[in-house]
Amino acid sequence: DSGVTQTPKHLITATGQRVTLRCSPRSGDLSVYWYQQSLDQGLQFLIQYYNGEERAKGNILERFSAQQFPDLHSELNLSSLELGDSALYFCASSPRGGTTYEQYFGPGTRLTVT
Amino acid sequence: AQTVTQSQPEMSVQEAETVTLSCTYDTSESDYYLFWYKQPPSRQMILVIRQEAYKQQNATENRFSVNFQKAAKSFSLKISDSQLGDAAMYFCAYRSPAGTYKYIFGTGTRLKVLA
Repeated sequence: DSGVTQTPKHLITATGQRVTLRCSPRSGDLSVYWYQQSLDQGLQFLIQYYNGEERAKGNILERFSAQQFPDLHSELNLSSLELGDSALYFCASSPRGGTTYEQYFGPGTRLTVT
Repeated sequence: AQTVTQSQPEMSVQEAETVTLSCTYDTSESDYYLFWYKQPPSRQMILVIRQEAYKQQNATENRFSVNFQKAAKSFSLKISDSQLGDAAMYFCAYRSPAGTYKYIFGTGTRLKVLA
């Protein structure tokens, strides 16, 4: 158990709909990262927040948005969903400072768009 | 921009044997961090090993070790005494130095362990 939690574990929805994925980082971690992993693909970095502020942006579509709240949990909002958005969405957190900078991953949310 | 390349989509190893997974990266930075992550069928991402670029000594974690060649920008993972539980996707990852915070992952190598 990495200490990072994600809800829900599974989500099935229809095209055109909007969903929200939630992530709670490890206690004390200030950075949250979101990744998308399509079937048998690598991880695509979407976006990163640090202590409530957007810090880095990757290949995130305009239909997607995220935020990090004062209690440090983060939400990823996906709207106008398309079939191609079906994927495993990971959240990861990393500590501030420290000497190793590794990420700790949550179990992921599997999104299926029908 | 930094890139990470894993040129072996799939590898196989006999149980108890040794296997090496390759990873190369491209960067103009001098100080960075490298990682290997394992993704078993459960899809959970698990950190296997880390390497700081400023350290010349190769990292080792039990049966897992790396061969870090900074000049060649190569970061291979060696798994000794392979076990059935080692079967998974392995991802190489690069992290920029503090301040940019971006992680870049390779496309992964699927490792099969044969009994």
